[in-house]
Amino acid sequence: DTGVSQNPRHKITKRGQNVTFRCDPISEHNRLYWYRQTLGQGPEFLTYFQNEAQLEKSRLLSDRFSAERPKGSFSTLEIQRTEQGDSAMYLCASSLGQGEDTQYFGPGTRLTVL
Amino acid sequence: GENVEQHPSTLSVQEGDSAVIKCTYSDSASNYFPWYKQELGKRPQLIIDIRSNVGEKKDQRIAVTLNKTAKHFSLHITETQPEDSAVYFCAGGGSTLGRLYFGRGTQLTVWP
Repeated sequence: DTGVSQNPRHKITKRGQNVTFRCDPISEHNRLYWYRQTLGQGPEFLTYFQNEAQLEKSRLLSDRFSAERPKGSFSTLEIQRTEQGDSAMYLCASSLGQGEDTQYFGPGTRLTVL
Repeated sequence: GENVEQHPSTLSVQEGDSAVIKCTYSDSASNYFPWYKQELGKRPQLIIDIRSNVGEKKDQRIAVTLNKTAKHFSLHITETQPEDSAVYFCAGGGSTLGRLYFGRGTQLTVWP
């Protein structure tokens, strides 16, 4: 499968625990995006990378959230001290960049915080 | 920042009828407007997109129109089929903005 992949697909954790999600973009895609989606809403932007550089972070992204893309390929999103309000689908998308804007989404990681 | 509004939130049509979903945007810097279809429990899938230098684009039963002056764009689905039932999202953005701003979605139900 040459599409965007995400792991794990589901994560259940207790409040206060840390969780980390991984996203593998489409090969050669320079841009990688993280979105969060809750029930009945459209995806909400969290952050994006151009290669390994994190170019923008949403104000929604509290200090407990951190994202990395160390080698410009896969990315990780970590949430520290999870809260029940963090329960959502976390979607990753990638695009070629260089003026090509089409974003292709991964299947998402569904996080449930108990 | 950009604000994308989408209407209606739900839409029910009979099989074979047309469906129209409308969106407005606020940021003149937006120059790329994709539409995604999302079935329950699945990832958003791009179905069609349009750039600001084009007024209309068509792909079989799906068409999108863009009015830059009024800052609105619409999705038209003709000859609807039950398998078109899903949530449809419009979005605005572009290279200079990086991110996409999504509307809140339209739940389309096509009755056989």
